[in-house]
Amino acid sequence: GAVVSQHPSRVICKSGTSVKIECRSLDFQATTMFWYRQFPKKSLMLMATSNEGSKATYEQGVEKDKFLINHASLTLSTLTVTSAHPEDSSFYICSLPGGGAWNEQFFGPGTRLTVL
Amino acid sequence: AQKITQTQPGMFVQEKEAVTLDCTYDTSDPSYGLFWYKQPSSGEMIFLIYQGSYDQQNATEGRYSLNFQKARKSANLVISASQLGDSAMYFCAMREVAGTASKLTFGTGTRLQVTL
Repeated sequence: GAVVSQHPSRVICKSGTSVKIECRSLDFQATTMFWYRQFPKKSLMLMATSNEGSKATYEQGVEKDKFLINHASLTLSTLTVTSAHPEDSSFYICSLPGGGAWNEQFFGPGTRLTVL
Repeated sequence: AQKITQTQPGMFVQEKEAVTLDCTYDTSDPSYGLFWYKQPSSGEMIFLIYQGSYDQQNATEGRYSLNFQKARKSANLVISASQLGDSAMYFCAMREVAGTASKLTFGTGTRLQVTL
């Protein structure tokens, strides 16, 4: 399957600052990437679909001005949490769709964000 | 209405025994895919097994098998010969063909603990 990396793996920031999370596909070109958010002991919730060369598609209830997504190339998507607040603390995971018959998603290792 | 339901928040199983993790789903789309992912404490999402709605046979992957009962809309995961390393969160997910390609909807997960 595809190898997906995320950077940073863990970040702690002060309230009011912005944090950028990178998602890279190391061996696979992806026109689409997905960003999920997972609260402790909860399920994964899709936040947005990142589209290379065009605007991201956000799920209902997700603030697009708060969570900026840029799909700069076929191997890189970034999620920027702007003016972070403690309630933004969460586990953020990116994924990209596989090209096989199963169309499974390959997930990155995740980024744990803690906002103080 | 919830599209994916996992009614077991936690399960215990003894090493070398088999365990079944329940998953029911709800969709009106005739074409869909069902996935199981494992999430260890490290946070990464590991793809385990896939079942397509038109697949005639139950999917199997090593010690994992999927008990697919289409009429009951259930897709239970069976893990045979449990190992200590199987201790993790397990998520059932569904991909509907209609709408965003490859968009996955996750259940709330089941935490499996394998004991000696």
